[in-house]
Amino acid sequence: AQSVTQLDSQVPVFEEAPVELRCNYSSSVSVYLFWYVQYPNQGLQLLLKYLSGSTLVKGINGFEAEFNKSQTSFHLRKPSVHISDTAEYFCAVSRGGRRALTFGSGTRLQVQP
Amino acid sequence: SQTIHQWPATLVQPVGSPLSLECTVEGTSNPNLYWYRQAAGRGLQLLFYSVGIGQISSEVPQNLSASRPQDRQFILSSKKLLLSDSGFYLCAWSPGTGRGEQYFGPGTRLTVT
Repeated sequence: AQSVTQLDSQVPVFEEAPVELRCNYSSSVSVYLFWYVQYPNQGLQLLLKYLSGSTLVKGINGFEAEFNKSQTSFHLRKPSVHISDTAEYFCAVSRGGRRALTFGSGTRLQVQP
Repeated sequence: SQTIHQWPATLVQPVGSPLSLECTVEGTSNPNLYWYRQAAGRGLQLLFYSVGIGQISSEVPQNLSASRPQDRQFILSSKKLLLSDSGFYLCAWSPGTGRGEQYFGPGTRLTVT
Protein backbone atom coordinates (compact mmCIF):
# COMPACT_ATOMS: atom_id res chain seq x y z
CA ALA A 1 0.00 0.00 0.00
CA GLN A 2 1.10 3.56 -0.54
CA SER A 3 0.48 6.74 1.43
CA VAL A 4 1.01 10.47 0.97
CA THR A 5 1.82 13.03 3.63
CA GLN A 6 1.46 16.75 3.09
CA LEU A 7 3.32 18.24 5.99
CA ASP A 8 1.65 21.65 6.06
CA SER A 9 -2.11 22.10 6.24
CA GLN A 10 -1.83 25.85 5.60
CA VAL A 11 0.91 27.99 4.08
CA PRO A 12 0.52 31.78 4.27
CA VAL A 13 2.82 33.75 1.97
CA PHE A 14 3.06 37.29 0.66
CA GLU A 15 2.52 38.07 -2.98
CA GLU A 16 5.66 37.78 -5.17
CA ALA A 17 7.42 35.67 -2.53
CA PRO A 18 8.62 32.12 -3.32
CA VAL A 19 6.73 29.15 -1.93
CA GLU A 20 7.33 25.44 -1.38
CA LEU A 21 4.57 22.98 -0.57
CA ARG A 22 5.91 19.75 0.85
CA CYS A 23 4.86 16.22 -0.05
CA ASN A 24 6.31 12.92 1.09
CA TYR A 25 5.12 9.50 0.01
CA SER A 26 5.70 5.90 0.98
CA SER A 27 5.48 2.95 -1.34
CA SER A 28 7.20 -0.40 -1.75
CA VAL A 29 7.08 -0.14 -5.55
CA SER A 30 7.74 2.52 -8.16
CA VAL A 31 5.04 5.15 -8.35
CA TYR A 32 3.86 8.04 -10.43
CA LEU A 33 3.40 11.39 -8.69
CA PHE A 34 0.98 14.25 -9.24
CA TRP A 35 0.05 17.68 -7.95
CA TYR A 36 -3.48 19.00 -8.27
CA VAL A 37 -4.92 22.45 -7.52
CA GLN A 38 -8.47 23.13 -6.37
CA TYR A 39 -9.97 26.61 -6.44
CA PRO A 40 -13.04 27.25 -4.24
CA ASN A 41 -16.11 25.32 -5.31
CA GLN A 42 -14.36 23.81 -8.31
CA GLY A 43 -13.03 20.41 -9.28
CA LEU A 44 -9.37 19.46 -9.14
CA GLN A 45 -7.05 20.52 -11.95
CA LEU A 46 -3.88 18.65 -12.76
CA LEU A 47 -0.89 20.95 -12.18
CA LEU A 48 1.94 18.62 -13.08
CA LYS A 49 3.01 15.00 -13.06
CA TYR A 50 6.14 12.91 -12.70
CA LEU A 51 6.06 9.72 -14.74
CA SER A 52 9.73 9.07 -15.52
CA GLY A 53 12.88 10.79 -16.78
CA SER A 54 13.97 14.20 -15.51
CA THR A 55 13.31 14.60 -11.82
CA LEU A 56 12.40 18.28 -12.26
CA VAL A 57 8.99 18.65 -13.82
CA LYS A 58 7.33 21.85 -14.89
CA GLY A 59 3.61 22.41 -14.82
CA ILE A 60 1.04 25.04 -15.50
CA ASN A 61 0.89 28.50 -13.91
CA GLY A 62 4.67 28.61 -13.33
CA PHE A 63 4.77 25.74 -10.83
CA GLU A 64 7.44 23.06 -10.77
CA ALA A 65 8.20 20.04 -8.63
CA GLU A 66 11.22 17.90 -7.98
CA PHE A 67 11.09 14.15 -7.49
CA ASN A 68 13.60 12.94 -4.92
CA LYS A 69 13.61 9.16 -4.76
CA SER A 70 16.04 8.87 -1.86
CA GLN A 71 13.95 11.19 0.29
CA THR A 72 10.64 9.94 -1.15
CA SER A 73 9.56 13.52 -1.69
CA PHE A 74 7.84 15.49 -4.41
CA HIS A 75 7.80 19.12 -3.25
CA LEU A 76 5.98 21.78 -5.25
CA ARG A 77 7.60 25.17 -5.80
CA LYS A 78 6.92 28.51 -7.38
CA PRO A 79 9.51 31.33 -7.41
CA SER A 80 6.96 34.15 -7.20
CA VAL A 81 3.33 33.66 -6.21
CA HIS A 82 0.33 35.71 -7.20
CA ILE A 83 -2.91 36.38 -5.37
CA SER A 84 -4.64 34.09 -7.89
CA ASP A 85 -2.56 31.14 -6.65
CA THR A 86 -4.64 31.08 -3.46
CA ALA A 87 -6.16 27.59 -3.50
CA GLU A 88 -5.95 24.09 -2.05
CA TYR A 89 -3.13 21.92 -3.38
CA PHE A 90 -3.18 18.12 -3.30
CA CYS A 91 -0.30 15.73 -3.81
CA ALA A 92 -1.18 12.26 -5.12
CA VAL A 93 0.55 8.99 -5.93
CA SER A 94 -0.35 6.11 -8.23
CA ARG A 95 1.07 2.75 -9.22
CA GLY A 96 -0.53 3.16 -12.62
CA GLY A 97 -3.14 1.19 -14.48
CA ARG A 98 -6.68 1.13 -13.23
CA ARG A 99 -5.86 1.72 -9.59
CA ALA A 100 -7.19 4.78 -7.84
CA LEU A 101 -4.96 7.64 -6.81
CA THR A 102 -3.90 8.03 -3.20
CA PHE A 103 -4.24 11.67 -2.17
CA GLY A 104 -2.63 13.67 0.58
CA SER A 105 -4.79 15.70 2.93
CA GLY A 106 -4.13 18.94 1.08
CA THR A 107 -2.31 22.22 1.73
CA ARG A 108 -4.14 25.52 1.67
CA LEU A 109 -1.96 28.21 0.10
CA GLN A 110 -3.01 31.70 1.18
CA VAL A 111 -1.34 34.48 -0.77
CA GLN A 112 -1.56 37.84 0.97
CA PRO A 113 -1.04 41.25 -0.67
CA SER B 1 -10.20 16.28 -26.43
CA GLN B 2 -11.90 14.75 -23.44
CA THR B 3 -14.44 16.48 -21.23
CA ILE B 4 -16.26 15.43 -18.11
CA HIS B 5 -19.65 16.70 -17.03
CA GLN B 6 -21.45 16.53 -13.73
CA TRP B 7 -24.96 17.54 -12.81
CA PRO B 8 -26.55 19.06 -11.04
CA ALA B 9 -24.02 21.67 -9.92
CA THR B 10 -25.80 22.26 -6.63
CA LEU B 11 -28.51 20.36 -4.80
CA VAL B 12 -30.41 20.87 -1.56
CA GLN B 13 -32.28 17.81 -0.36
CA PRO B 14 -34.14 16.95 2.86
CA VAL B 15 -33.05 14.08 5.07
CA GLY B 16 -34.57 10.80 3.93
CA SER B 17 -35.00 11.83 0.31
CA PRO B 18 -33.39 9.93 -2.59
CA LEU B 19 -30.34 11.09 -4.52
CA SER B 20 -29.09 10.72 -8.06
CA LEU B 21 -25.93 12.43 -9.31
CA GLU B 22 -24.77 11.90 -12.84
CA CYS B 23 -21.37 12.03 -14.47
CA THR B 24 -20.56 11.61 -18.15
CA VAL B 25 -17.29 11.63 -20.04
CA GLU B 26 -16.83 12.56 -23.69
CA GLY B 27 -13.97 11.94 -26.09
CA THR B 28 -12.64 8.67 -24.72
CA SER B 29 -13.67 5.05 -24.44
CA ASN B 30 -13.41 2.48 -21.65
CA PRO B 31 -12.27 4.99 -19.03
CA ASN B 32 -11.87 4.22 -15.36
CA LEU B 33 -14.45 6.24 -13.43
CA TYR B 34 -14.37 7.44 -9.83
CA TRP B 35 -16.64 9.10 -7.28
CA TYR B 36 -15.08 11.13 -4.47
CA ARG B 37 -16.60 13.08 -1.61
CA GLN B 38 -15.04 16.11 0.00
CA ALA B 39 -16.55 17.19 3.30
CA ALA B 40 -16.12 20.81 4.37
CA GLY B 41 -12.47 21.51 5.17
CA ARG B 42 -11.52 17.90 4.58
CA GLY B 43 -9.56 15.98 1.99
CA LEU B 44 -10.80 13.66 -0.71
CA GLN B 45 -12.51 10.40 0.17
CA LEU B 46 -12.78 7.79 -2.59
CA LEU B 47 -16.30 6.34 -2.59
CA PHE B 48 -16.51 4.13 -5.67
CA TYR B 49 -14.55 3.29 -8.77
CA SER B 50 -15.39 1.40 -11.93
CA VAL B 51 -13.20 -0.22 -14.56
CA GLY B 52 -16.05 -1.13 -16.90
CA ILE B 53 -19.81 -1.32 -17.45
CA GLY B 54 -21.49 -2.88 -14.46
CA GLN B 55 -18.20 -3.23 -12.55
CA ILE B 56 -18.27 -1.21 -9.34
CA SER B 57 -15.88 -1.32 -6.40
CA SER B 58 -16.92 0.27 -3.13
CA GLU B 59 -14.30 1.80 -0.90
CA VAL B 60 -16.44 2.95 2.01
CA PRO B 61 -19.54 1.10 3.30
CA GLN B 62 -22.41 3.57 3.62
CA ASN B 63 -25.88 4.32 2.32
CA LEU B 64 -24.60 5.36 -1.10
CA SER B 65 -24.39 3.21 -4.22
CA ALA B 66 -23.00 3.65 -7.72
CA SER B 67 -23.87 2.29 -11.13
CA ARG B 68 -22.32 2.37 -14.57
CA PRO B 69 -25.06 1.66 -17.08
CA GLN B 70 -23.01 2.85 -20.08
CA ASP B 71 -19.32 3.01 -20.86
CA ARG B 72 -19.02 6.74 -20.16
CA GLN B 73 -21.77 7.25 -17.60
CA PHE B 74 -21.39 6.95 -13.84
CA ILE B 75 -24.24 7.50 -11.41
CA LEU B 76 -24.15 8.00 -7.65
CA SER B 77 -27.35 7.21 -5.78
CA SER B 78 -28.93 6.95 -2.39
CA LYS B 79 -32.36 5.74 -1.33
CA LYS B 80 -32.43 7.85 1.86
CA LEU B 81 -30.05 10.73 2.46
CA LEU B 82 -28.47 11.42 5.84
CA LEU B 83 -27.22 14.76 7.16
CA SER B 84 -23.70 13.34 7.00
CA ASP B 85 -24.04 12.92 3.22
CA SER B 86 -23.62 16.66 2.75
CA GLY B 87 -20.47 17.58 0.88
CA PHE B 88 -18.85 18.25 -2.45
CA TYR B 89 -19.05 15.26 -4.80
CA LEU B 90 -16.46 14.91 -7.50
CA CYS B 91 -16.42 12.56 -10.45
CA ALA B 92 -13.15 11.74 -12.18
CA TRP B 93 -11.93 9.63 -15.06
CA SER B 94 -8.60 8.14 -16.03
CA PRO B 95 -7.42 6.38 -19.19
CA GLY B 96 -7.79 2.64 -19.00
CA THR B 97 -4.13 2.06 -19.80
CA GLY B 98 -2.74 5.27 -18.31
CA ARG B 99 -0.33 5.86 -15.49
CA GLY B 100 -2.95 6.82 -12.97
CA GLU B 101 -3.55 10.48 -13.68
CA GLN B 102 -7.16 11.42 -13.14
CA TYR B 103 -9.21 14.25 -14.59
CA PHE B 104 -11.95 15.75 -12.52
CA GLY B 105 -15.37 17.15 -13.21
CA PRO B 106 -16.64 20.46 -11.82
CA GLY B 107 -18.35 18.82 -8.84
CA THR B 108 -21.78 18.81 -7.22
CA ARG B 109 -22.39 20.65 -3.96
CA LEU B 110 -24.94 18.62 -1.95
CA THR B 111 -26.58 20.05 1.15
CA VAL B 112 -28.82 17.75 3.15
CA THR B 113 -31.20 19.67 5.42
